[in-house]
Amino acid sequence: NAGVTQTPKFQVLKTGQSMTLQCAQDMNHEYMSWYRQDPGMGLRLIHYSVGAGITDQGEVPNGYNVSRSTTEDFPLRLLSAAPSQTSVYFCASSYVAGGHTEAFFGQGTRLTVV
Amino acid sequence: GIQVEQSPPDLILQEGANSTLRCNFSDSVNNLQWFHQNPWGQLINLFYIPSGTKQNGRLSATTVATERYSLLYISSSQTTDSGVYFCAVDRTGTASKLTFGTGTRLQVTL
Repeated sequence: NAGVTQTPKFQVLKTGQSMTLQCAQDMNHEYMSWYRQDPGMGLRLIHYSVGAGITDQGEVPNGYNVSRSTTEDFPLRLLSAAPSQTSVYFCASSYVAGGHTEAFFGQGTRLTVV
Repeated sequence: GIQVEQSPPDLILQEGANSTLRCNFSDSVNNLQWFHQNPWGQLINLFYIPSGTKQNGRLSATTVATERYSLLYISSSQTTDSGVYFCAVDRTGTASKLTFGTGTRLQVTL
């Protein structure tokens, strides 16, 4: 199993450009989430999904869109990139089994908006 | 929303020393996880521990849910233990809405 795979690993965008960060998981996890990490801070939740076709906003959703058409994929779209969106983005998937729940993270995408 | 505080913010140890990292949270939780973010930025799962005590090699963790804190113990530290340690909690029972602390940055020197 590859786990949670994010692409690309690095990206530079110009202000106003749009792009999609890809996230795929092969663990058949029901739940998926996107976080951003800014320097010296912990991760903050952008959007999350509790299953295919169901998404909701997290703490910092402005400027981002998501969709979940399959269990495996959860892309994050930046509609019009701004310098404030310069950050490291992490995708996670999680499961619930027998009262145990745990999240696993991808390797991150480092995004710079100039 | 729930608040998560970690202490100390920074820690420098000599190889072989022991350390205790603390995580306080402001409300009851269904999930508490400890992660290690290595110098390459990768988040590595250490423990899922909403209550009780677990051990994995030189690392162990204890969560006292009734008092809303968790402790991560690192014994006989090695340089490979360097990085940032995060505590994250979730109240949904699905680990899909984790709230992270700001982390403890650990540097282990020779």
